[in-house]
Amino acid sequence: DTGVSQDPRHKITKRGQNVTFRCDPISEHNRLYWYRQTLGQGPEFLTYFQNEAQLEKSRLLSDRFSAERPKGSFSTLEIQRTEQGDSAMYLCASSLPRGTFILQDEQYFGPGTRLTVT
Amino acid sequence: AQTVTQSQPEMSVQEAETVTLSCTYDTSENNYYLFWYKQPPSRQMILVIRQEAYKQQNATENRFSVNFQKAAKSFSLKISDSQLGDTAMYFCAFMMYQAGTALIFGKGTTLSVSS
Repeated sequence: DTGVSQDPRHKITKRGQNVTFRCDPISEHNRLYWYRQTLGQGPEFLTYFQNEAQLEKSRLLSDRFSAERPKGSFSTLEIQRTEQGDSAMYLCASSLPRGTFILQDEQYFGPGTRLTVT
Repeated sequence: AQTVTQSQPEMSVQEAETVTLSCTYDTSENNYYLFWYKQPPSRQMILVIRQEAYKQQNATENRFSVNFQKAAKSFSLKISDSQLGDTAMYFCAFMMYQAGTALIFGKGTTLSVSS
């Protein structure tokens, strides 16, 4: 396992369409995070999973956004009825190997999915 | 709420020179982590260096070192002997010492290293 992977790397969609992104974390990590990064800005937190449980959601995650991590492995982020303001890089990160009894650990980032809404 | 401020949008340096990137943060927490992440053009974000707030000693990783001033809430990154491959966006980030909390990033500093 070489790191966090994300698919697709680029997505162009028309306003109003639904899109879904996938993140495969480092296999032994039990925490998974989604962030959104707009041009020239730092990433902003969207949501966090511990195993399959979604434990925290940012207010940035409107009701058009939904995320899942059904078996505690890969995760999907879906955006319904996309808007031009959704254009951004969507980053996934994972951390904390299972069986590690510490509160926090560094997060490893994937390459991101760049979404363009036309 | 925690905030992270990077006041230098862009910096440039010549190869082999030393450059310092600034970061300040605001928190009422006593235990937390601070990080510097590097994001090269069109490539994924990687960790450069981390600092635990309870440690007084400044972290170092090869050519990278930090100046952590807890009372001043300042966390600067020094890059020595700059290399062309150091050209990237650098983000300062804060994380609370609680299970599962997310990173809070600054807006970043674009560093250009020229020959």
